[in-house]
Amino acid sequence: KAGVTQTPRYLIKTRGQQVTLSCSPISGHRSVSWYQQTPGQGLQFLFEYFSETQRNKGNFPGRFSGRQFSNSRSEMNVSTLELGDSALYLCASSLWISGGAKETQYFGPGTRLLVL
Amino acid sequence: GENVEQHPSTLSVQEGDSAVIKCTYSDSASNYFPWYKQELGKGPQLIIDIRSNVGEKKDQRIAVTLNKTAKHFSLHITETQPEDSAVYFCAAPTSGAGSYQLTFGKGTKLSVIP
Repeated sequence: KAGVTQTPRYLIKTRGQQVTLSCSPISGHRSVSWYQQTPGQGLQFLFEYFSETQRNKGNFPGRFSGRQFSNSRSEMNVSTLELGDSALYLCASSLWISGGAKETQYFGPGTRLLVL
Repeated sequence: GENVEQHPSTLSVQEGDSAVIKCTYSDSASNYFPWYKQELGKGPQLIIDIRSNVGEKKDQRIAVTLNKTAKHFSLHITETQPEDSAVYFCAAPTSGAGSYQLTFGKGTKLSVIP
């Protein structure tokens, strides 16, 4: 079974631009979460989507947004990029079971974003 | 919300020795504790996880122990090998109806010296 895929793997942008990152979850997984990883802050939760609905959002400004499509693929968008947005953006998928079971999250390789 | 503390931040061991990484968490409702290994240039890979109805779980050279009363869990790697060198993260879920969020520790950089 193919793992979580993320595109692009590397991206260079300048301040003020916007960027869209894509994530394809493991086949059959309906929950997709996004995390930002930086050396200073570690892994921080951005948001989680399930069945095209955002169920949970971390403490990030409104410049960070996302969406999920009917095939469970997800995109995240960052508008008006700042230098501090330089980070590794990770997507993780899980097989959600109704009833609230906490299922394993599987991570993709990430998208390395550099803002100049 | 959940708060996860991880220690130590760096750990160097000789090849063949054991390594132990410890984490504490704050939300007593947390019931699932995964450990991830992240190698340079890659995303975190799940190496072992434990649910709150067991106290210990082993998988070859890797084991995780959980003490729910004290709210801490540990990763044990025995007979370390150079390929074990990586950054290890512990995590715990934030409880909440209808959503799923992991809170991660800051990571431990493990170096295995040949």
